[in-house]
Amino acid sequence: GAVVSQHPSWVICKSGTSVKIECRSLDFQATTMFWYRQFPKQSLMLMATSNEGSKATYEQGVEKDKFLINHASLTLSTLTVTSAHPEDSSFYICSARRQGGKGEKLFFGSGTQLSVL
Amino acid sequence: AQSVAQPEDQVNVAEGNPLTVKCTYSVSGNPYLFWYVQYPNRGLQFLLKYITGDNLVKGSYGFEAEFNKSQTSFHLKKPSALVSDSALYFCAANDAGNMLTFGGGTRLMVKP
Repeated sequence: GAVVSQHPSWVICKSGTSVKIECRSLDFQATTMFWYRQFPKQSLMLMATSNEGSKATYEQGVEKDKFLINHASLTLSTLTVTSAHPEDSSFYICSARRQGGKGEKLFFGSGTQLSVL
Repeated sequence: AQSVAQPEDQVNVAEGNPLTVKCTYSVSGNPYLFWYVQYPNRGLQFLLKYITGDNLVKGSYGFEAEFNKSQTSFHLKKPSALVSDSALYFCAANDAGNMLTFGGGTRLMVKP
């Protein structure tokens, strides 16, 4: 089946530093990828929709200058948390949309647990 | 390692009939369980969650899910399906460390 690789799985960083998270579709091309974050016991919150070759579409309340998204190729989208602060500590997960004969389907990365000290 | 299984790739049901989308999980400790729906060209939408308490959880759009600890299941149900319910449904589980795992998704087709 289709695989989406997300890296790193865990990251601990100091406040003020930037962290990059990668999301790769390994065996299909994904023109659209989604980035979510989740706080403990809460549902996923869609942060942004990443479209290959164009600017990401951010959800209301998500700072685009803080959460930089780059979808430079059909198999790779990156989320960079710039000048991270402790309140950015969260679980981040990406999903890639595969379109095909049976309709579209989403495949999920394994997620990244970010802890900002 | 934790896992979530949705054994059916597709579920077909006639409009007005009850529907069930199955989900089983393997999580250490007490699980937090979620159901999400994806409509074409959209991201995930949250339907409902189980954290603790009553085993029957009611969510959006008339959906409900029953947490069954002995069977490690969290099946999604609706008493009367609508054509507009046709979509992709994903079950997900958190472990105590907050790592989230998704099932493979089930396509629900409701025919008029």
